[in-house]
Amino acid sequence: NAGVTQTPKFQVLKTGQSMTLQCAQDMNHEYMSWYRQDPGMGLRLIHYSVGAGITDQGEVPNGYNVSRSTTEDFPLRLLSAAPSQTSVYFCASSYSRGAAGELFFGEGSRLTVL
Amino acid sequence: SQQGEEDPQALSIQEGENATMNCSYKTSINNLQWYRQNSGRGLVHLILIRSNEREKHSGRLRVTLDTSKKSSSLLITASRAADTASYFCATAGRGAQKLVFGQGTRLTINP
Repeated sequence: NAGVTQTPKFQVLKTGQSMTLQCAQDMNHEYMSWYRQDPGMGLRLIHYSVGAGITDQGEVPNGYNVSRSTTEDFPLRLLSAAPSQTSVYFCASSYSRGAAGELFFGEGSRLTVL
Repeated sequence: SQQGEEDPQALSIQEGENATMNCSYKTSINNLQWYRQNSGRGLVHLILIRSNEREKHSGRLRVTLDTSKKSSSLLITASRAADTASYFCATAGRGAQKLVFGQGTRLTINP
């Protein structure tokens, strides 16, 4: 099993550009989530989904959109990138309902916005 | 705002010694989890302890939970160089919809 796969691993954007970070899992997990990790800030939850067609906001949702059309995929869209969105982004999934069980993380996508 | 706060922020010990990290949180929880992150990698789940549990073990790891003090500790016994990593606690609230992470403890094991 591949687990949680994130693409791209590295990306450089200019301010105002848009892009989509892809996340796919092959474990048939209902719960998926996106975090960003900044130095000294730990991980902060951006958006999460408890199943196909259902998404909700986390701690820092502004500037990001998500959708969940299939169980496997949970893309994160940056509509108009800003330097404050320079970060490492992690996608995670869980077999249990919500955060009742362990999260399985991808390897991260490192985004730089100039 | 972050739920969990780890203490210390950084810890450096000799190989073979025990390492203890603490986590405090603010609101009632469904469960508390500990994760490890090696440099440049994703997080790996270590152990989950539910709100009605007081202690759990997994290999060289021992986790305690004191809900009256809203705190948890992670003990790594007989540390090894490979244990060098950042360790994060994360809490799930009553509805267990979200997992909120602390800022982490950076552990360095010196040979």
